[in-house]
Amino acid sequence: QVQLVQSGAEVKKPGASVKVSCKASGYTFTSYGISWVRQAPGQGLEWMGWISAYNGNTNYAQKLQGRVTMTTDTSTSTAYMELRSLRSDDTAVYYCARDELDGYKESDYWGQGTLVTVSS
Amino acid sequence: DIQMTQSPSSLSASVGDRVTITCRASQSISSYLNWYQQKPGKAPKLLIYAASSLQSGVPSRFSGSGSGTDFTLTISSLQPEDFATYYCQQSYSTLVTFGQGTRLEIK
Repeated sequence: QVQLVQSGAEVKKPGASVKVSCKASGYTFTSYGISWVRQAPGQGLEWMGWISAYNGNTNYAQKLQGRVTMTTDTSTSTAYMELRSLRSDDTAVYYCARDELDGYKESDYWGQGTLVTVSS
Repeated sequence: DIQMTQSPSSLSASVGDRVTITCRASQSISSYLNWYQQKPGKAPKLLIYAASSLQSGVPSRFSGSGSGTDFTLTISSLQPEDFATYYCQQSYSTLVTFGQGTRLEIK
């Protein structure tokens, strides 16, 4: 069965960086993309970006350009999202999700979420 | 970015009611519209993709319609497990965006 298992909760200070992992299993990793979505406490869903596990192509939300990097390790079927220069408003639950590479790019499987807390 | 606007932002309804949630895009997105359900403390769940295609395993009381800029999610007969927050998402643009969400509460 398809599973996306994310790394554990993180507490970071303002200005630091965080790297969240998302390990995929149960499907051919390179046949799909991975999206990253975050949700601040009590708020809605915010799309952060997408990476193709096939060729590493990325698209990032404009507001995060320059602070976010998404990568994949096809040898371990793991996707990573690194966010730098953390601010208090980056406190959120971060989700990875599997996306179709083409077509409607719906996110059909999701990780369990990783809480990142940014606090001094 | 393409803006997605859902209405209403919140909705109270009873078990057995028929409920419709609307999502409007700031420009035409063809049928590149997906709907998700999210319960507190849980990851979102895909309900509908390509505006009207039911995701495998999702009950048939959920349906989606629309194209261009105006879309709807309909729940034909509300069940207790349907009380949650619903989000639309456009995937027409490489810069994906979500609606702000519609919270469906028990009346």
